[in-house]
Amino acid sequence: DAGVIQSPRHEVTEMGQEVTLRCKPISGHDYLFWYRQTMMRGLELLIYFNNNVPIDDSGMPEDRFSAKMPNASFSTLKIQPSEPRDSAVYFCASTMLGSPLHFGNGTRLTVT
Amino acid sequence: GENVEQHPSTLSVQEGDSAVIKCTYSDSASNYFPWYKQELGKGPQLIIDIRSNVGEKKDQRIAVTLNKTAKHFSLHITETQPEDSAVYFCAASMFGDQFYFGTGTSLTVIP
Repeated sequence: DAGVIQSPRHEVTEMGQEVTLRCKPISGHDYLFWYRQTMMRGLELLIYFNNNVPIDDSGMPEDRFSAKMPNASFSTLKIQPSEPRDSAVYFCASTMLGSPLHFGNGTRLTVT
Repeated sequence: GENVEQHPSTLSVQEGDSAVIKCTYSDSASNYFPWYKQELGKGPQLIIDIRSNVGEKKDQRIAVTLNKTAKHFSLHITETQPEDSAVYFCAASMFGDQFYFGTGTSLTVIP
């Protein structure tokens, strides 16, 4: 099992640009989570999906953030337009009920 | 919703000593408590977990204890080694579909 796969590993972009982060969950997992990690706020849950349907997006900071899960093996988190305060490490994680949560290695986003 | 508090935020121990990290949770309905280790540049990795029907669980040098009455659980690492240096997170979950994380403990093992 390859685990949760995220791309890109690093993203540097200029303020105002669109950023798309990608995630492939573990096969068979029906829950997918997007987290943001910063020194100040720790691990924040942004949104999670069950069976490709968004269940709770109350952690999404603003309308500039959107997430989709078009199928069971792919999800995207998009920021448009990006701002310097969006700089953080973004993690995707997946699980199935009764199993632990498995994280990817994250995307380090820097917005200049 | 659930609130998980974790202490201490930083911890330094001498190699070979024990390290203890403590977490409390607020919702008595939480029934699953995983611990994660995060190394630099990587995502959090599960190291041990415990369910509410168990009071203690051990895996080699790592153990977790759970006190449901007091709503707290702890991670114990014995005979610490430099490779144990990392950030550790506790978490609580009720139904396995939402996980509430502590703020993390940065552990440094001094050789």
